[in-house]
Amino acid sequence: GQNIDQPTEMTATEGAIVQINCTYQTSGFNGLFWYQQHAGEAPTFLSYNVLDGLEEKGRFSSFLSRSKGYSYLLLKELQMKDSASYLCAVNPNTGGFKTIFGAGTRLFVKA
Amino acid sequence: GAVVSQHPSWVICKSGTSVKIECRSLDFQATTMFWYRQFPKQSLMLMATSNEGSKATYEQGVEKDKFLINHASLTLSTLTVTSAHPEDSSFYICSARRQGSGANVLTFGAGSRLTVL
Repeated sequence: GQNIDQPTEMTATEGAIVQINCTYQTSGFNGLFWYQQHAGEAPTFLSYNVLDGLEEKGRFSSFLSRSKGYSYLLLKELQMKDSASYLCAVNPNTGGFKTIFGAGTRLFVKA
Repeated sequence: GAVVSQHPSWVICKSGTSVKIECRSLDFQATTMFWYRQFPKQSLMLMATSNEGSKATYEQGVEKDKFLINHASLTLSTLTVTSAHPEDSSFYICSARRQGSGANVLTFGAGSRLTVL
């Protein structure tokens, strides 16, 4: 089976740094994605990792360890608009390019 | 950039009727599209993979006769919820993978909120 775990909720302060963890157990692996989803809207792509290491893109960074089945999304200089759900997703490489999503982490940024 | 248009954005229908949702890739071709449903405060559950010119691949537990998927062209996939019931009320989101894209980054439509009375 496929299993992706991430915390349900997190709260952080404006201007701070927050790390959202994700662990996965899937039948295969062909990449891990992070998406941002504001309430009532569609998800938008944030990052993609297929090799071990850190990918940095502005205020957002994503890390992957394939041997540990682990990833994290790091958000720096938090802004109020970063309050959203962050979805960890994996392509298990079972054919057809499908992507499996975790339950999402709801991040609340407070002033 | 890749844009996916989904229509309608919201729909209210009576129990027993059928509802069709369209998903179009506007500026790229998509041989594969995906349909998800999302309940409030929950994540996206993959329902099926829509393949251009062939039958859709449904996930376990998803009734293919209830959720009809047609992918007649490289830019259009449709999801028809047949004989809708209140428990089918949900947020349905389509996504598309850009043909030839190395990374399987998905572009999502804006979603369709279905309410069945």
